[in-house]
Formats: sequence, C-alpha cells, structure tokens
Amino acid sequence: DGGITQSPKYLFRKEGQNVTLSCEQNLNHDAMYWYRQDPGQGLRLIYYSQIVNDFQKGDIAEGYSVSREKKESFPLTVTSAQKNPTAFYLCASSGGTGHYNEQFFGPGTRLTVL
Amino acid sequence: RKEVEQDPGPFNVPEGATVAFNCTYSNSASQSFFWYRQDCRKEPKLLMSVYSSGNEDGRFTAQLNRASQYISLLIRDSKLSDSATYLCAVTTSADSWGKFQFGAGTQVVVTP
Repeated sequence: DGGITQSPKYLFRKEGQNVTLSCEQNLNHDAMYWYRQDPGQGLRLIYYSQIVNDFQKGDIAEGYSVSREKKESFPLTVTSAQKNPTAFYLCASSGGTGHYNEQFFGPGTRLTVL
Repeated sequence: RKEVEQDPGPFNVPEGATVAFNCTYSNSASQSFFWYRQDCRKEPKLLMSVYSSGNEDGRFTAQLNRASQYISLLIRDSKLSDSATYLCAVTTSADSWGKFQFGAGTQVVVTP
C-alpha cells in the first residue's frame, strides 16, 4: 500500500538533546513538507523540499534541520536550539499523478521534552 | 491578522441536521483551496479540494467566494462520525508543490 510513514509515534527527549524524526513515502511524490501543530493551533510549516538535495525554510525553521538525500525520505532533526519543541510533528508530501498539488499526511510524531 | 482564519467552534449539531462554516483568507493571490478533516490526535486527511465552480462529494459541499475571499463547507444529514475538526488550507501556488497556509480548524460535534 502506498503511503507516508513516520516514526516513532511518540518520542521523549531530555532538554539539550537532538532528536531525529523519520518520514518516508512510497507515493513517488517529489515534494515533501514538515509541519508542527500545537494544541488549538493550525499547522505551521517548518521546512519543505521540492526535489532531492534541495530544501527551503518554512515559517518556523529556527532550531530545526532537514536533509533530502533520497526522494522517499525527508528526516527532521529537532536540535537543542529549538526552545519549545514539545508538539505534534506532521510530515506531508505532494505531487502525485491525479492529485496535482494536494498534500497528504503521515500519522505524525508526538514529541515531548522532559 | 492571520492569513487564514476559521471560527474555532464548537458547532454542536444534532444528528441529521445541516451545518456550514467558513474559512477566510487574506491573500488575494491564493489559487488553490482545500478542506481537511482531523480527528483527535490524528493526522489531517484530505476531505476535498475546492474548485471555483463549487463542488460536492456526497453529503459535503464546498464553495469558493473569491470576491469576499472565503471558502465554505456544508455538511448535510450529519452523522455522528462527522464529529471532527475541519481545517482549511490555502496556497498561492499553482504548481505540484506549494506552501500551504492552514487555518486553526473548526470543531464540529454531532450529537445523537
């Protein structure tokens, strides 16, 4: 089945630690995105990538980093510089045939900083 | 002012009734519009794209009003399973990728 997978589902981090969230898609989509969702708020764009080996900062990139070495994969690292990392992180992709620019989401990772 | 705004609700709707709500956007260059459904603690799932002429998918009808810069979603014959938060998304991109701006969502609660 085609889709987007994210792991882990839940992640607990101590202050001062970097953590990496995984996002993989087998939809053959060119574009991938990372969002953050806080309670009662909309999704905010962290980073996005239109194509392999290229990515751009979104609206709230500070304290985060990404890589796009393969079309299928777009991991997000939450660094210790991110002041308020506890949130629900969602990965999305777009660019499939028949679904021109709609974004489809993975199941998300809940990150809690202890 | 936020780029995309939604009434947070909740909209409490008796089962079988009709509910409608809007999403306003501030960027007049917006080109594509979407409605997503998000269940509690789950990812958003695409409900429908919103076309200029309006579109319908079963009990769901989406409309676009470019002059007043809002999109709407109407749910007819509400089911208990329609209880969710409905997010609107807007993009200025006409490409196969694009930066979406999301609203914070409208919560709908369908009651027996």
